[in-house]
Amino acid sequence: LAKTTQPISMDSYEGQEVNITCSHNNIATNDYITWYQQFPSQGPRFIIQGYKTKVTNEVASLFIPADRKSSTLSLPRVSLSDTAVYYCLVGERNNQGGKLIFGQGTELSVKP
Amino acid sequence: KAGVTQTPRYLIKTRGQQVTLSCSPISGHRSVSWYQQTPGQGLQFLFEYFSETQRNKGNFPGRFSGRQFSNSRSEMNVSTLELGDSALYLCASSFGSSGEKLFFGSGTQLSVL
Repeated sequence: LAKTTQPISMDSYEGQEVNITCSHNNIATNDYITWYQQFPSQGPRFIIQGYKTKVTNEVASLFIPADRKSSTLSLPRVSLSDTAVYYCLVGERNNQGGKLIFGQGTELSVKP
Repeated sequence: KAGVTQTPRYLIKTRGQQVTLSCSPISGHRSVSWYQQTPGQGLQFLFEYFSETQRNKGNFPGRFSGRQFSNSRSEMNVSTLELGDSALYLCASSFGSSGEKLFFGSGTQLSVL
Protein backbone atom coordinates (compact mmCIF):
# COMPACT_ATOMS: atom_id res chain seq x y z
CA LEU A 1 0.00 0.00 0.00
CA ALA A 2 1.38 3.35 -1.00
CA LYS A 3 2.14 5.67 1.90
CA THR A 4 1.43 9.36 1.48
CA THR A 5 3.32 12.33 2.88
CA GLN A 6 1.84 15.82 3.11
CA PRO A 7 2.78 19.01 4.93
CA ILE A 8 1.31 19.05 8.43
CA SER A 9 -0.05 22.57 8.11
CA MET A 10 -0.35 25.53 5.74
CA ASP A 11 -1.49 29.12 6.13
CA SER A 12 -3.10 31.25 3.49
CA TYR A 13 -5.17 34.41 3.07
CA GLU A 14 -8.57 34.84 1.54
CA GLY A 15 -8.51 35.14 -2.22
CA GLN A 16 -5.19 33.38 -2.68
CA GLU A 17 -4.59 30.14 -4.57
CA VAL A 18 -3.46 27.28 -2.35
CA ASN A 19 -1.44 24.33 -3.58
CA ILE A 20 -1.03 21.28 -1.34
CA THR A 21 1.44 18.66 -2.52
CA CYS A 22 1.32 15.00 -1.57
CA SER A 23 4.17 12.52 -2.07
CA HIS A 24 3.40 8.89 -2.83
CA ASN A 25 6.63 7.34 -4.03
CA ASN A 26 5.39 3.75 -3.95
CA ILE A 27 2.19 4.30 -5.90
CA ALA A 28 1.12 1.20 -7.81
CA THR A 29 -0.07 1.00 -11.38
CA ASN A 30 -3.72 0.51 -10.42
CA ASP A 31 -3.79 3.19 -7.73
CA TYR A 32 -5.92 6.30 -8.02
CA ILE A 33 -5.24 9.51 -6.10
CA THR A 34 -8.09 11.01 -4.14
CA TRP A 35 -8.39 14.10 -1.96
CA TYR A 36 -10.83 14.63 0.89
CA GLN A 37 -11.67 17.64 3.02
CA GLN A 38 -12.65 17.38 6.67
CA PHE A 39 -14.15 19.94 9.03
CA PRO A 40 -14.08 19.40 12.81
CA SER A 41 -16.55 16.81 14.10
CA GLN A 42 -17.61 15.84 10.59
CA GLY A 43 -16.72 13.02 8.24
CA PRO A 44 -14.34 13.68 5.34
CA ARG A 45 -15.88 14.95 2.14
CA PHE A 46 -14.69 13.95 -1.35
CA ILE A 47 -13.03 16.76 -3.30
CA ILE A 48 -11.41 15.29 -6.39
CA GLN A 49 -9.92 12.10 -7.81
CA GLY A 50 -7.48 11.44 -10.64
CA TYR A 51 -5.13 8.93 -12.20
CA LYS A 52 -2.76 11.02 -14.29
CA THR A 53 -2.23 14.50 -15.79
CA LYS A 54 -4.81 17.05 -14.72
CA VAL A 55 -8.33 16.84 -13.40
CA THR A 56 -10.54 19.84 -12.69
CA ASN A 57 -13.96 20.18 -11.13
CA GLU A 58 -16.01 23.05 -9.74
CA VAL A 59 -14.02 23.30 -6.51
CA ALA A 60 -10.42 22.21 -7.22
CA SER A 61 -7.81 21.00 -9.66
CA LEU A 62 -5.54 18.02 -9.28
CA PHE A 63 -2.16 17.92 -11.00
CA ILE A 64 -0.37 14.60 -11.37
CA PRO A 65 3.05 14.44 -13.06
CA ALA A 66 3.97 11.66 -15.46
CA ASP A 67 5.80 9.56 -12.84
CA ARG A 68 2.75 9.82 -10.50
CA LYS A 69 5.00 9.89 -7.44
CA SER A 70 3.35 13.08 -6.23
CA SER A 71 0.20 15.07 -6.77
CA THR A 72 -0.87 18.64 -6.09
CA LEU A 73 -4.30 19.78 -5.01
CA SER A 74 -4.97 23.33 -6.13
CA LEU A 75 -7.70 25.41 -4.46
CA PRO A 76 -8.37 28.64 -6.36
CA ARG A 77 -9.23 31.81 -4.43
CA VAL A 78 -9.72 30.26 -0.99
CA SER A 79 -12.17 31.67 1.53
CA LEU A 80 -12.41 31.37 5.31
CA SER A 81 -14.73 28.40 4.87
CA ASP A 82 -11.92 26.43 3.22
CA THR A 83 -10.18 26.18 6.60
CA ALA A 84 -10.10 22.42 7.12
CA VAL A 85 -7.89 19.35 7.04
CA TYR A 86 -7.10 17.99 3.59
CA TYR A 87 -6.22 14.34 3.09
CA CYS A 88 -4.47 12.74 0.14
CA LEU A 89 -5.23 9.06 -0.40
CA VAL A 90 -3.85 6.49 -2.75
CA GLY A 91 -5.89 3.39 -3.37
CA GLU A 92 -6.64 0.71 -5.86
CA ARG A 93 -9.92 0.62 -7.77
CA ASN A 94 -11.01 -2.91 -8.34
CA ASN A 95 -13.99 -5.08 -7.68
CA GLN A 96 -12.21 -6.92 -4.89
CA GLY A 97 -12.27 -3.90 -2.63
CA GLY A 98 -9.22 -2.32 -1.12
CA LYS A 99 -7.99 -0.45 1.88
CA LEU A 100 -7.88 3.30 1.69
CA ILE A 101 -5.17 4.59 3.97
CA PHE A 102 -5.43 8.15 5.18
CA GLY A 103 -2.20 10.03 5.87
CA GLN A 104 -1.85 12.64 8.58
CA GLY A 105 -3.51 15.30 6.45
CA THR A 106 -2.70 18.97 5.93
CA GLU A 107 -4.37 21.47 8.22
CA LEU A 108 -5.11 24.53 6.09
CA SER A 109 -5.79 27.78 7.88
CA VAL A 110 -7.25 30.62 5.81
CA LYS A 111 -6.97 34.06 7.34
CA PRO A 112 -8.89 37.23 6.45
CA LYS B 1 -30.94 11.18 -1.68
CA ALA B 2 -30.26 10.81 2.04
CA GLY B 3 -26.63 10.72 3.09
CA VAL B 4 -24.85 8.22 5.30
CA THR B 5 -26.51 8.08 8.70
CA GLN B 6 -24.69 7.05 11.84
CA THR B 7 -26.29 6.49 15.21
CA PRO B 8 -25.90 7.40 17.93
CA ARG B 9 -24.09 10.71 17.44
CA TYR B 10 -22.57 10.66 20.93
CA LEU B 11 -22.00 7.83 23.36
CA ILE B 12 -20.46 7.59 26.82
CA LYS B 13 -19.40 4.22 28.17
CA THR B 14 -17.20 2.92 30.96
CA ARG B 15 -14.22 0.61 30.71
CA GLY B 16 -15.12 -3.03 30.25
CA GLN B 17 -18.48 -2.36 28.65
CA GLN B 18 -19.28 -3.14 25.06
CA VAL B 19 -20.83 -0.88 22.44
CA THR B 20 -22.60 -1.24 19.11
CA LEU B 21 -22.58 1.53 16.52
CA SER B 22 -24.88 1.66 13.53
CA CYS B 23 -24.44 2.91 9.98
CA SER B 24 -27.04 3.25 7.23
CA PRO B 25 -25.36 3.78 3.84
CA ILE B 26 -26.68 5.78 0.94
CA SER B 27 -29.45 3.91 -0.84
CA GLY B 28 -27.96 1.61 -3.48
CA HIS B 29 -24.48 1.57 -2.00
CA ARG B 30 -23.22 -1.90 -1.22
CA SER B 31 -19.85 -1.16 0.36
CA VAL B 32 -19.52 0.09 3.93
CA SER B 33 -16.20 0.80 5.58
CA TRP B 34 -15.40 1.92 9.11
CA TYR B 35 -12.67 4.24 10.36
CA GLN B 36 -11.48 5.28 13.80
CA GLN B 37 -10.26 8.84 14.21
CA THR B 38 -8.24 10.06 17.18
CA PRO B 39 -6.10 13.19 17.59
CA GLY B 40 -2.96 11.11 17.97
CA GLN B 41 -3.42 8.43 15.32
CA GLY B 42 -5.55 10.22 12.75
CA LEU B 43 -7.94 8.26 10.55
CA GLN B 44 -7.36 4.53 10.75
CA PHE B 45 -9.10 1.92 8.65
CA LEU B 46 -11.03 -0.68 10.65
CA PHE B 47 -12.78 -2.89 8.09
CA GLU B 48 -14.85 -2.92 4.94
CA TYR B 49 -17.97 -4.90 4.12
CA PHE B 50 -19.48 -5.58 0.73
CA SER B 51 -22.67 -7.57 0.22
CA GLU B 52 -22.55 -8.84 3.82
CA THR B 53 -18.95 -10.08 3.51
CA GLN B 54 -15.90 -8.57 5.14
CA ARG B 55 -13.49 -7.78 2.31
CA ASN B 56 -10.71 -6.01 4.13
CA LYS B 57 -9.60 -5.56 7.71
CA GLY B 58 -7.26 -3.10 9.36
CA ASN B 59 -4.82 -3.71 12.19
CA PHE B 60 -7.18 -3.63 15.12
CA PRO B 61 -7.60 -6.26 17.88
CA GLY B 62 -10.38 -8.81 17.78
CA ARG B 63 -12.41 -6.69 20.21
CA PHE B 64 -13.43 -4.70 17.15
CA SER B 65 -15.89 -6.50 14.95
CA GLY B 66 -18.55 -5.66 12.45
CA ARG B 67 -21.24 -7.02 10.24
CA GLN B 68 -23.38 -5.99 7.34
CA PHE B 69 -27.01 -6.87 6.79
CA SER B 70 -28.79 -7.73 3.57
CA ASN B 71 -30.06 -4.15 3.26
CA SER B 72 -26.40 -2.96 3.39
CA ARG B 73 -26.82 -1.40 6.83
CA SER B 74 -23.79 -2.10 8.99
CA GLU B 75 -22.95 -2.31 12.65
CA MET B 76 -19.66 -2.33 14.42
CA ASN B 77 -19.13 -3.66 17.90
CA VAL B 78 -16.37 -3.00 20.37
CA SER B 79 -16.19 -5.33 23.35
CA THR B 80 -14.35 -4.83 26.63
CA LEU B 81 -13.90 -1.12 26.08
CA GLU B 82 -10.60 0.52 26.97
CA LEU B 83 -9.88 4.20 27.59
CA GLY B 84 -7.92 4.28 24.32
CA ASP B 85 -11.05 3.38 22.36
CA SER B 86 -12.34 6.91 22.87
CA ALA B 87 -12.56 8.25 19.34
CA LEU B 88 -14.74 9.44 16.52
CA TYR B 89 -15.94 6.39 14.60
CA LEU B 90 -16.73 7.11 10.98
CA CYS B 91 -18.64 5.04 8.52
CA ALA B 92 -18.34 5.50 4.77
CA SER B 93 -20.31 4.00 1.92
CA SER B 94 -19.66 3.56 -1.77
CA PHE B 95 -21.44 1.84 -4.58
CA GLY B 96 -18.76 -0.72 -5.34
CA SER B 97 -15.11 -1.10 -4.52
CA SER B 98 -13.57 1.01 -1.81
CA GLY B 99 -11.33 2.64 -4.37
CA GLU B 100 -14.30 4.65 -5.48
CA LYS B 101 -15.50 7.92 -4.01
CA LEU B 102 -16.46 7.42 -0.38
CA PHE B 103 -19.38 9.17 1.28
CA PHE B 104 -18.86 9.60 5.01
CA GLY B 105 -21.33 10.00 7.80
CA SER B 106 -20.85 12.53 10.61
CA GLY B 107 -19.59 9.82 12.91
CA THR B 108 -20.25 8.57 16.42
CA GLN B 109 -18.20 10.25 19.13
CA LEU B 110 -17.43 7.57 21.70
CA SER B 111 -16.07 8.50 25.10
CA VAL B 112 -14.84 5.74 27.39
CA LEU B 113 -14.55 6.73 31.05
